[in-house]
Amino acid sequence: DVKVTQSSRYLVKRTGEKVFLECVQDMDHENMFWYRQDPGLGLRLIYFSYDVKMKEKGDIPEGYSVSREKKERFSLILESASTNQTSMYLCASTQGHVAKNIQYFGAGTRLSVL
Amino acid sequence: AQKVTQAQTEISVVEKEDVTLDCVYETRDTTYYLFWYKQPPSGELVFLIRRNSFDEQNEISGRYSWNFQKSTSSFNFTITASQVVDSAVYFCALSEAYAGNNRKLIWGLGTSLAVNP
Repeated sequence: DVKVTQSSRYLVKRTGEKVFLECVQDMDHENMFWYRQDPGLGLRLIYFSYDVKMKEKGDIPEGYSVSREKKERFSLILESASTNQTSMYLCASTQGHVAKNIQYFGAGTRLSVL
Repeated sequence: AQKVTQAQTEISVVEKEDVTLDCVYETRDTTYYLFWYKQPPSGELVFLIRRNSFDEQNEISGRYSWNFQKSTSSFNFTITASQVVDSAVYFCALSEAYAGNNRKLIWGLGTSLAVNP
């Protein structure tokens, strides 16, 4: 079974802190994604990576950066956390052609920025 | 432009009722894929079904069935004899095989289903 693991289920941070959200997948997938999920707004893509060190902006990249130094790990970075980044963050991975393949999700990290 | 509309924001049913979740999509591509995912209260999205644009056969899996109709651009999901464990948010998503933006899914906003005992 594919396993996508997000390092924290719940996280509380202060405004201005640098925040790292970590995601690891164990199926050698090329593609990894970071989404945020907010009530009434569904899932919105922040960034995705299609290979080590390769990344593309999604729909809402502002205020975020990412890092993919190893194939299995994809990190989301909030350089200076703000209250409007309080949200549920979901990591996903898929192999091959993104359009037709299943995305596998982690359990999510619920981030609160105070 | 691509778009997925799930018009039902919330549905509440009593156990054993049948319930249909609607999904309407827009795309200019002739080759595309449609997905349904389930997000239970635990938070992890779970894949339910994928359908490509050339396969209009309906699908049944246990109490779940899907009705894909290209003529109305719809991919509806029916749960027969619903159970409390079906309570979740259900998402419909679209991807286009050859569009320039073919690296991502277009997600609907989800339908929150509550099945009450």
